[in-house]
This record gives sequence, structure tokens and C-alpha cells, in this order.
Amino acid sequence: AIRITQSPSSLSASTGDRVTITCRASQGISSYLAWYQQKPGKAPKLLIYAASTLQSGVPSRFSGSGSGTDFTLTISCLQSEDFATYYCQQYYSYPRYTFGQGTKLEIK
Amino acid sequence: EVQLVESGGGLVQPGGSLRLSCAASGFTFSSYWMSWVRQAPGKGLEWVANIKQDGSEKYYVDSVKGRFTISRDNAKNSLYLQMNSLRAEDTAVYYCARVLSYSSSYFDYWGQGTLVTVSS
Repeated sequence: AIRITQSPSSLSASTGDRVTITCRASQGISSYLAWYQQKPGKAPKLLIYAASTLQSGVPSRFSGSGSGTDFTLTISCLQSEDFATYYCQQYYSYPRYTFGQGTKLEIK
Repeated sequence: EVQLVESGGGLVQPGGSLRLSCAASGFTFSSYWMSWVRQAPGKGLEWVANIKQDGSEKYYVDSVKGRFTISRDNAKNSLYLQMNSLRAEDTAVYYCARVLSYSSSYFDYWGQGTLVTVSS
């Protein structure tokens, strides 16, 4: 099974900061990676798919990059509504999938 | 507007059974793969099961194989998860999610989730 290692597990930042979250796959997954945002008590929300394609309606301050085994999610200028937990998901091994462990983004 | 509404969660004893339902609306349900994804309290997301549009293919995470069964009724726009031989480690919020397509297998819409608690 493909394992996804997400880092860091938590991150403290301030409004206006630029932050980066990383996912590393245990084998090459091309660009078959998605990113989700989850707020407490809510369902996850799709942000990015195919490693770098922004889902409709997602602000342009979110961006994704990478291919193969190493991927990043960058938030260029943090807004208050961005403090949440972020997950990556690989779908290279469709129809079976795995998620990263999550990164909790907290206000400094 | 796409909507997915789960129901059927609750408290069940270890070894017991529960059937979750997901009512879909706002899209052509029969055209999409569908999934169940769960989240244990305070933990991350775990994909549980998938079902093809016509129900002819089903896939499961190893930890639930032989205990859980995913099914669908396209006439009722509904997805189901029959959970048997439940264990404490199955305690989680269970989300119904739409899979965009077979090869673009990310989840573009999610329900609000239903909580399953396995405890004596």
C-alpha cells in the first residue's frame, strides 16, 4: 500500500504569513494528489486536485505543486478563515486511496 | 446543488451491527463512483470503501474486509454501508463522499457525517 507522510503535524502562524505543508509518498504517484481543508465539526473541503489544480471557488492564495513523491501546499497570505486542518490524499492506487496524517494550522 | 446526507449512526455494542445510509441529490447519482470515509475522534481521515456506478465493483480497506458491505440503490439515489462485527476501533464519524471519476479519484463533495460509537 502507498503510504503518505505529511509534515508538519502542526504549525503555528500569523495572519499574513506564508506557510507550506508537505506530503511525501512512499512511491511515485505522478500527480495523483489532492488537498483538503477541514474545520472543526465540518466535513473536509476539496482545495486542490491533480497536485496543482485549484478547485472552483478556492481562493488563489492556495497553491499546490509537486509530482512523483514530493508535494507541497502553500498558502501565500494567511487569512483568519484559513486556520484549519489540512490533509493530502493520493489516488494513484485507485480505487483504493490513502490520506496523509493531517496538519493542524493554528494561530500564533 | 449537490447534497449528501448521511443517517443511521448511533451507539452500538461491540460485535453488533449498524447500517448507514446516504441520500444523494443535485446530481445524477448513477453516474458516479461513491465512497465512505471515516474519521476516528481526534484522528485523521481513512478511506473505508468504494462502489462503482452500477454496483458491480466494490473495494474495501483491509481493516473492514469481511465485516462491512457497501451497496447502493440508484433508483433511490442512496448509498449504504452495512457494518457487522463492530469493534471499538470502528468508532468514528462516517462520511459519504462523491468520487469525481475513476481515474480522477478525489472526493469533490462530502456529506456532513454520521457518528458511530462502538462501546459497551
